Amino acid sequence: EAQVTQNPRYLITVTGKKLTVTCSQNMNHEYMSWYRQDPGLGLRQIYYSMNVEVTDKGDVPEGYKVSRKEKRNFPLILESPSPNQTSLYFCASSLSRTGGTEAFFGQGTRLTVV
Amino acid sequence: KQEVTQIPAALSVPEGENLVLNCSFTDSAIYNLQWFRQDPGKGLTSLLLIQSSQREQTSGRLNASLDKSSGRSTLYIAASQPGDSATYLCAGRGGTSYGKLTFGQGTILTVHP
Repeated sequence: EAQVTQNPRYLITVTGKKLTVTCSQNMNHEYMSWYRQDPGLGLRQIYYSMNVEVTDKGDVPEGYKVSRKEKRNFPLILESPSPNQTSLYFCASSLSRTGGTEAFFGQGTRLTVV
Repeated sequence: KQEVTQIPAALSVPEGENLVLNCSFTDSAIYNLQWFRQDPGKGLTSLLLIQSSQREQTSGRLNASLDKSSGRSTLYIAASQPGDSATYLCAGRGGTSYGKLTFGQGTILTVHP
């Protein structure tokens, strides 16, 4: 089954404790991205990757890092989480960044930073 | 910069009604437009994808249209059911934004029995 898998689904952590949210897709997609969803602000792109070892900032990259060492995986790293990073996070993938490429989303990770 | 607006913000209808959700976008240079459904606290489920060269797409009781010249898309739901209650999001994938999806704020749909 074609899918994007995020882990964990729920996470409560303390300010400053480094964490990683994993994302994996099994569709051999080139393009992957991370979004955060906040009430009143909607979904905003954090980082994206057009292929292995090619990553770039989205609209709200501050406080986040990513890496793309393998095509299937695109982890989101919070080196020193702060309460304003409490949010619902989604990983997405698509075959490419252009044309008729449908975006597939993971089930989301609800992060709370206290 | 692409901006996407969805109207109405919320809609409540009785079961069986046909309804239309609206999505407008400011930059017509989009590759495609995608409609999603989101249940409370859950992930995004893709409903329909319309290419920039297409006018409409249909899946079951859902029909989505795209008019690039006017910057509008609509999602038509026929014979609504309580199970259709969810938030509906539209998102445009733009040519100048390196593949980023720009989302509207969503329409919260409630279908009551």
